[in-house]
Amino acid sequence: QQPVQSPQAVILREGEDAVINCSSSKALYSVHWYRQKHGEAPVFLMILLKGGEQKGHEKISASFNEKKQQSSLYLTASQLSYSGTYFCGTHGSGNTGKLIFGQGTTLQVKP
Amino acid sequence: EADIYQTPRYLVIGTGKKITLECSQTMGHDKMYWYQQDPGMELHLIHYSYGVNSTEKGDLSSESTVSRIRTEHFPLTLESARPSHTSQYLCASSEMTGADSPLHFGNGTRLTVT
Repeated sequence: QQPVQSPQAVILREGEDAVINCSSSKALYSVHWYRQKHGEAPVFLMILLKGGEQKGHEKISASFNEKKQQSSLYLTASQLSYSGTYFCGTHGSGNTGKLIFGQGTTLQVKP
Repeated sequence: EADIYQTPRYLVIGTGKKITLECSQTMGHDKMYWYQQDPGMELHLIHYSYGVNSTEKGDLSSESTVSRIRTEHFPLTLESARPSHTSQYLCASSEMTGADSPLHFGNGTRLTVT
């Protein structure tokens, strides 16, 4: 079942923070986060496994709450290069190998 | 850097033609995937494979078929293209180590059926 992302779109000024949420109605084994720029392929950001861990990459970090079946992506002090569409992808608890993506959140960072 | 290649990059073809979209990876990954994505929209899984001679349909019903005769090659075929097949098709691969392996995407094939 497809995870649900919110918000659908975000417009920021450089230096502002943003949070993108991803939730599922089914138990999750892992959550992936990818960013896709216009006309390009999605690029991997990070993976979170069940256990409530938090990961970070420069000023982009994420958390995974297994009990709530949701993950959040935190973008701190956003830069123009952060613009794009962010997708979360989820593996079900059965670890079937199928990665199902949410509908995407479009982030636009303005100068 | 990921080594996964898709050809052609763009394809414009008439209705009723048979087409094959090529996808190859040089990383020795066992898992491969095909996603369909309309412009600005979500990624829909249409096919995936765990390895040679293993193929499964994804969550989005598709009239396309796939084959996995070699580890590095995962072509997608449409026997009779229709305008409704117009979309971008993205191929991806990952290691067979479970759900903690990132997907590496190719640059996609933009298909237009006239």
